[in-house]
Amino acid sequence: KAGVTQTPRYLIKTRGQQVTLSCSPISGHRSVSWYQQTPGQGLQFLFEYFSETQRNKGNFPGRFSGRQFSNSRSEMNVSTLELGDSALYLCASSPFWEGSYEQYFGPGTRLTVT
Amino acid sequence: AQKITQTQPGMFVQEKEAVTLDCTYDTSDPSYGLFWYKQPSSGEMIFLIYQGSYDQQNATEGRYSLNFQKARKSANLVISASQLGDSAMYFCAMREGDFKTIFGAGTRLFVKA
Repeated sequence: KAGVTQTPRYLIKTRGQQVTLSCSPISGHRSVSWYQQTPGQGLQFLFEYFSETQRNKGNFPGRFSGRQFSNSRSEMNVSTLELGDSALYLCASSPFWEGSYEQYFGPGTRLTVT
Repeated sequence: AQKITQTQPGMFVQEKEAVTLDCTYDTSDPSYGLFWYKQPSSGEMIFLIYQGSYDQQNATEGRYSLNFQKARKSANLVISASQLGDSAMYFCAMREGDFKTIFGAGTRLFVKA
């Protein structure tokens, strides 16, 4: 079974621009979560989607948004990029049947904002 | 508030020896999952092991085992027979019923030949 895929793997953007990152979960997985990883803040939860609905959101400004499509693929968007948005963005998928909390991560998208 | 604490920023272990990475957590939710992930320098998060809060037995996956002590709210990772390829960052994480996963700060493990 194919793993979680994320595109693009690397991205360089300029301050003020916007960016869209994509995540395709493992086949059959319906839950997708996004995380931001930086050296200073570590791994921080951005949001989680299940069946096209956002079920929880981390403590990030409104510039960070996401969505999930009917095929469970998910995108996250960051508008008006700031230097501090430079990070590794990780996506994780979960089967999320009753009682299962397991998550499997993609390789990440490394975003650099200049 | 949810909290995961990993008190060991860095650990050294001799090849072929066992090592324990500490993790304590704090939650008031009776239903939760605990995870350990390995992150090599490539950046990818590799799932190692999972323990559900209602699981009676400690989880084991090959050379990895999770020492789950619910009353003490600890979920230590034990790696047996360390290998050079085990050198990486290790993260403990917890997921509750609100679908939000909290990660610890991580422990960097160095395996010496």
